Amino acid sequence: GESVGLHLPTLSVQEGDNSIINCAYSNSASDYFIWYKQESGKGPQFIIDIRSNMDKRQGQRVTVLLNKTVKHLSLQIAATQPGDSAVYFCAENGSGGYNKLIFGAGTRLAVHP
Amino acid sequence: SAVISQKPSRDICQRGTSLTIQCQVDSQVTMMFWYRQQPGQSLTLIATANQGSEATYESGFVIDKFPISRPNLTFSTLTVSNMSPEDSSIYLCSVTESYEQYFGPGTRLTVT
Repeated sequence: GESVGLHLPTLSVQEGDNSIINCAYSNSASDYFIWYKQESGKGPQFIIDIRSNMDKRQGQRVTVLLNKTVKHLSLQIAATQPGDSAVYFCAENGSGGYNKLIFGAGTRLAVHP
Repeated sequence: SAVISQKPSRDICQRGTSLTIQCQVDSQVTMMFWYRQQPGQSLTLIATANQGSEATYESGFVIDKFPISRPNLTFSTLTVSNMSPEDSSIYLCSVTESYEQYFGPGTRLTVT
């Protein structure tokens, strides 16, 4: 299938290690943030979200951290698996409620055995 | 979560022609969105489509180039008109359900 993220920064990790993907968001008015995973040839898949009244939210093997002071968002993936290899995008809602999303540039995660 | 399908999944078109992309959702949704993802790039919102009203376009996108229809609460179309090679992209529709936004698989368009 067509490749996504050919020119994006790449994070390479060993299988079983923890991964941390970072994102700087742009709009101080943003109060809702989402992480998406996009595998080659597929549409973005919702992973986890967080609202601005929280600093941390955990899901299954994933944790999102939000630092509003420096407008920084991170996604932590525990015990990274080969199936986690994909391009990861952060998105913010700007001032558009929960609908109009502004996507970050994306990071490719490459998991090596 | 909503299940979204798109047709066609991919196409190769000649410059100057138009292509209509269909988006079907398995549940009724108020708002549908169309995004463009240029090769190796992130996603950019083209427009928001509400049933029964004109689509709202983002800066840099115009109705003449990207006309959108939204005839009911489960279906929308995006037409890419008078195509040029710069229109080669993945076009994605999405819907919002309980604040979460879900995406279809995308239509991969190549203009030659």
